[in-house]
Order: sequence, then structure tokens, then C-alpha cells
Amino acid sequence: AQSVTQPDIHITVSEGASLELRCNYSYGATPYLFWYVQSPGQGLQLLLKYFSGDTLVQGIKGFEAEFKRSQSSFNLRKPSVHWSDAAEYFCAVAGLSGGYNKLIFGAGTRLAVHP
Amino acid sequence: DVKVTQSSRYLVKRTGEKVFLECVQDMDHENMFWYRQDPGLGLRLIYFSYDVKMKEKGDIPEGYSVSREKKERFSLILESASTNQTSMYLCASTSPGGSRDQPQHFGDGTRLSIL
Repeated sequence: AQSVTQPDIHITVSEGASLELRCNYSYGATPYLFWYVQSPGQGLQLLLKYFSGDTLVQGIKGFEAEFKRSQSSFNLRKPSVHWSDAAEYFCAVAGLSGGYNKLIFGAGTRLAVHP
Repeated sequence: DVKVTQSSRYLVKRTGEKVFLECVQDMDHENMFWYRQDPGLGLRLIYFSYDVKMKEKGDIPEGYSVSREKKERFSLILESASTNQTSMYLCASTSPGGSRDQPQHFGDGTRLSIL
């Protein structure tokens, strides 16, 4: 079955520190992977996506993610966190169900940033 | 820019009421989705629609129905609201064709409370 696991429910980092949010997926074919961010009271905004090619993908707001097929992982990173990065982050895999495109989401990781 | 608009940001209804949540997109997208978001559970798909008057059940359709009379509008209906339907509801759409590499675009969500 297709699934996404985000092992960390909450993460707290200091402003300026580096960040890595973990994501593991289970999908039988080539995965199409996404990271979304949700600021308080807002909908989801796409940070980046991976389909093929270079396994290190760049996104908006200074984020990047690395696809590792051997580990079934797609971890999100940022070298220096800003206070405005405090939000909830969702990893998702695009799957097919009954021939239709669907997104399967992880449970999310809530990021807090200390000044 | 892509725009998905949900008619209400906050809604309070009573148990047993029939509730309508409206979503409009301005991108001529074929595929539209309704999710509910609960803490620790991420986003769960309720229903989706791949064309006018067409609909498919998602993972948690019980207690909900949908309507898609026009391409740009996708309505979620709670036939008889119950307290366990108190949640954040998110609408999303994807570009024509809905292929797996196209990201979903989200509205800002409706926070629904059933008293």
C-alpha cells in the first residue's frame, strides 16, 4: 500500500540553525514526491517536487530535498532557518487509485523556531 | 497566479444541520479534491472529482457528499452534521489532465465547528 511517514511530529530549532525534516515513503513504482508548507491559518503551499533526474531538488524559500531510493526517503533541508519558517510541513507522494491521480500525505511535522 | 477560493474561513453549525462548503478555482482545472485535516493525521481525502458531474470516493467519504455542476466549483456537503466532523477542510485542484507530476493547489481552508 502507498504511504508516507514523517517520524517527527514536532521539531524545535534555533533561528539560524540548520534543519532537516524526515520523510519516508512506500510506493511500488517510481515515486512522485512533494513537500508542502502550511503557515498558521493558511492552506498548503508547494515547496518543491521530485519526479526524476537530479536527486537533489531546490525549492522556494531556500529549501532543498534529497531523494534516496535505497532508503525510500525524501528529506527536506534548509541550511539556516528563519523565524518565518515556523509552520507545519507535509510530505506527500502522488499515487494512482483506480486510474486517478491522488496525493497521499504524511501526518506532518510542526516546526517551531526559537529566536 | 493560481487561485483556489473557499467561501468561508470559519463556520459554526449545529448537530443535524445540512452544511455546504464551497470551493471555486479559476484555472480551468479538471481535477478537484476535498480533504479534511486533523492534528496528527495529516490530510485525508474525502472525495474528488475529475470532471463536471463526476465524482469518486476518497478514503473517508462516510457522512459526506459532493456536487460538481460547473467545472470551476466543487461543493462538499455534510448531510447531517455531527460533532466528529469538526475539522479543517481543504479544497485543492490540479491542472488539466491531472497527471502525477502536477502539484495540487490549495485553498486557505474552512475551519468548521459542529456544536
